[in-house]
Amino acid sequence: GAVVSQHPSWVICKSGTSVKIECRSLDFQATTMFWYRQFPKQSLMLMATSNEGSKATYEQGVEKDKFLINHASLTLSTLTVTSAHPEDSSFYICSARGTGDYGYGYTFGSGTRLTVV
Amino acid sequence: DAKTTQPPSMDCAEGRAANLPCNHSTISGNEYVYWYRQIHSQGPQYIIHGLKNNETNEMASLIITEDRKSSTLILPHATLRDTAVYYCIVRVTGNQFYFGTGTSLTVIP
Repeated sequence: GAVVSQHPSWVICKSGTSVKIECRSLDFQATTMFWYRQFPKQSLMLMATSNEGSKATYEQGVEKDKFLINHASLTLSTLTVTSAHPEDSSFYICSARGTGDYGYGYTFGSGTRLTVV
Repeated sequence: DAKTTQPPSMDCAEGRAANLPCNHSTISGNEYVYWYRQIHSQGPQYIIHGLKNNETNEMASLIITEDRKSSTLILPHATLRDTAVYYCIVRVTGNQFYFGTGTSLTVIP
């Protein structure tokens, strides 16, 4: 089946630094990738949608200059949290859509837990 | 935006069937009903989806009412590993998934 790999699975960074999270589709080409954020005991919140080779579309209230998304190839999308602060600490999850039948939903990565200290 | 309503939590005895309800009274004709689950600190896992007919796979069954305003996910023989948050999502094919609050299912030994 379709597999989406996320790296790193967890990261601790100092306040003010930037962190990059990678999302890779291992056995299919992902024309579209989605990035979610999840705070403790809350549901997943869609942050942005990225299409290969074009700019990401951000959900209302998500700062595009803070959460930089790059989808440069059909198998890789990256999310960079710039100038991270403690309030950015969260669980970040990506999902990917292939070029085939969309009916069976999208595959999700295993998530990245970001802790900003 | 999420268009579904689910009970916040449910318990189920191990080995018994777990029936998780979902209300989606504003569903459109071209929207599918999807079910995902999320085990603690992992990414969501696809379970099943359907449009208007009942569906069954190796994991679960999905029962959709005739008016499509509600559905029930059935885990026929719940195990401890089924303890998770279950999300019911309505979506047009090809569009994004917006997650609601889900149901936290606890399977009790």
